[in-house]
Amino acid sequence: DQQVKQNSPSLSVQEGRISILNCDYTNSMFDYFLWYKKYPAEGPTFLISISSIKDKNEDGRFTVFLNKSAKHLSLHIVPSQPGDSAVYFCAASIYGGSQGNLIFGKGTKLSVKP
Amino acid sequence: DTAVSQTPKYLVTQMGNDKSIKCEQNLGHDTMYWYKQDSKKFLKIMFSYNNKELIINETVPNRFSPKSPDKAHLNLHINSLELGDSAVYFCASSADRASGNTIYFGEGSWLTVV
Repeated sequence: DQQVKQNSPSLSVQEGRISILNCDYTNSMFDYFLWYKKYPAEGPTFLISISSIKDKNEDGRFTVFLNKSAKHLSLHIVPSQPGDSAVYFCAASIYGGSQGNLIFGKGTKLSVKP
Repeated sequence: DTAVSQTPKYLVTQMGNDKSIKCEQNLGHDTMYWYKQDSKKFLKIMFSYNNKELIINETVPNRFSPKSPDKAHLNLHINSLELGDSAVYFCASSADRASGNTIYFGEGSWLTVV
């Protein structure tokens, strides 16, 4: 039973354009969401997060949007750069619940072509 | 300086052996974790320790035993290794339980059981 779903295993984008990575969740108790980026042979690196009390959080080229009614969040990267090529994991948790028990999606591999 | 470091990075071993993966964090964090990424690329929590005390123990065979000699270390011992134990094991840490949702990962340990 996948509580966090990333339905696109891969995404290819031209450099300079926008990358949009999507994530859906099923557990309405989730109230904290994170995106992690992972390069081959390295551990996931925290990228950006959003609390359920917000619908948008922005950090430089990265923006995360949360639509609670649709149980959907997305990560926008603009402009995309070749160095952004990596696997992006969406994760969710219940803040104050089982701390550290992040539920991860399967990841989306982003390729940014020069 | 690597914030969360784990050794070995690669380990190939035979079925039935006992092995350990070590993890150390120099971030001063109170909480440490072990995550497993299996062949289907799912990243799932195995254990969570806060100040050397076990918080989370997901459904993991008791052949896996975490040991936390101090809050900066969380080692993973695996007894009687099986083929299905082949996976990437990630150590991680976070500042404390309350804000435990932003987790910092190590680079991973690739375990192959033959």
